[in-house]
Amino acid sequence: AQSVAQPEDQVNVAEGNPLTVKCTYSVSGNPYLFWYVQYPNRGLQFLLKYITGDNLVKGSYGFEAEFNKSQTSFHLKKPSALVSDSALYFCAVRDDIEAAGNKLTFGGGTRVLVKP
Amino acid sequence: DTEVTQTPKHLVMGMTNKKSLKCEQHMGHRAMYWYKQKAKKPPELMFVYSYEKLSINESVPSRFSPECPNSSLLNLHLHALQPEDSALYLCASSQESRTGGFYTIYFGEGSWLTVV
Repeated sequence: AQSVAQPEDQVNVAEGNPLTVKCTYSVSGNPYLFWYVQYPNRGLQFLLKYITGDNLVKGSYGFEAEFNKSQTSFHLKKPSALVSDSALYFCAVRDDIEAAGNKLTFGGGTRVLVKP
Repeated sequence: DTEVTQTPKHLVMGMTNKKSLKCEQHMGHRAMYWYKQKAKKPPELMFVYSYEKLSINESVPSRFSPECPNSSLLNLHLHALQPEDSALYLCASSQESRTGGFYTIYFGEGSWLTVV
């Protein structure tokens, strides 16, 4: 079965400092990994994904994520956080051999608070 | 353009009412989804349509009835709901392949449902 964990419920960071949101996953085969962001009272916005290839993936709004197969991690990073990055972030995974149709498994979410 | 449009944005209904949530996408996606999201929780998959046919029903109560009239539209018919069904209902879509693969899921802004 596929699963994903976000170990931190909340991350606090000062504006201008680096931001990291952690994600670890478990799959039977190879993972398809995604990050989504949800601003207050809004839907989920796609940030970036890892399917195959380069371990460092660049996405929207200056975010990037590093795929680490040995550590089964896919941490989201931003070199310099903005107050407007304050939101709820979800990591999600899909196993490439999971016979479960189009099912994406989400982590519990990490609330990011960027203080001025 | 990665837009999924949902209407209405807000809906208040009584427990004996019948109402519908609507979703539309014009990206040529052939997979469409309904998710339910409670506050500060990850989205929970309810239904998946693939090529206009229901492919996944996550044991959702029959008071929720999905319908996919064509490749661009997805409805969720609501009848005899309970207060605990109050949540954000997210529609989403993605490309689809009959030969495998997994594609990015794009979400709408959601419909806020309150059952009184």
